[in-house]
Amino acid sequence: SQQGEEDPQALSIQEGENATMNCSYKTSINNLQWYRQNSGRGLVHLILIRSNEREKHSGRLRVTLDTSKKSSSLLITASRAADTASYFCATDFTGSARQLTFGSGTQLTVLP
Amino acid sequence: DTAVSQTPKYLVTQMGNDKSIKCEQNLGHDTMYWYKQDSKKFLKIMFSYNNKELIINETVPNRFSPKSPDKAHLNLHINSLELGDSAVYFCASSHRHQNTEAFFGQGTRLTVV
Repeated sequence: SQQGEEDPQALSIQEGENATMNCSYKTSINNLQWYRQNSGRGLVHLILIRSNEREKHSGRLRVTLDTSKKSSSLLITASRAADTASYFCATDFTGSARQLTFGSGTQLTVLP
Repeated sequence: DTAVSQTPKYLVTQMGNDKSIKCEQNLGHDTMYWYKQDSKKFLKIMFSYNNKELIINETVPNRFSPKSPDKAHLNLHINSLELGDSAVYFCASSHRHQNTEAFFGQGTRLTVV
């Protein structure tokens, strides 16, 4: 089964508005990562937050992590039409070989 | 320069055929992966592999097999293709150590007819 679940599944906003996506996961993690996927393309890494961090910023992106609730959120501020994409959270729990387990994704549409 | 490259980008084939998808990374990573993305965009890990260990997702049919000729390559072989194998397959790579991101290829869209 999927480790992470994103919420909402789809989000449509106007350009300039903020977009918030949430991710919940099930097991203990070393870090949580957010990726973007444009239509027909591969996944691109956006930001990584470690299990001992609570908040991280990168440009217009803000990620929070609550390990007690096993949840994370991705905030995109001042959205642009170019932000239209699918956004996935991925949890990293390492054994002897690394594995990233992805959530189901949020389809974000930013209307001009 | 492309960091993780997959070939082919599109693959259309008949049921029952055997096919391979190639993947190469020039990032010096020691771990490579194959993911399957279905029509609903669910990404499921199929294999993770470094030079010491292959981890196979237990739900992956044994018709699928990864083959790594060297650390920079992890090819995916699929035998006796079925309609349900139609999906987009992504190769990725990363460092084995924690807290680093993965880099993905552009994907191979496999259509089985």
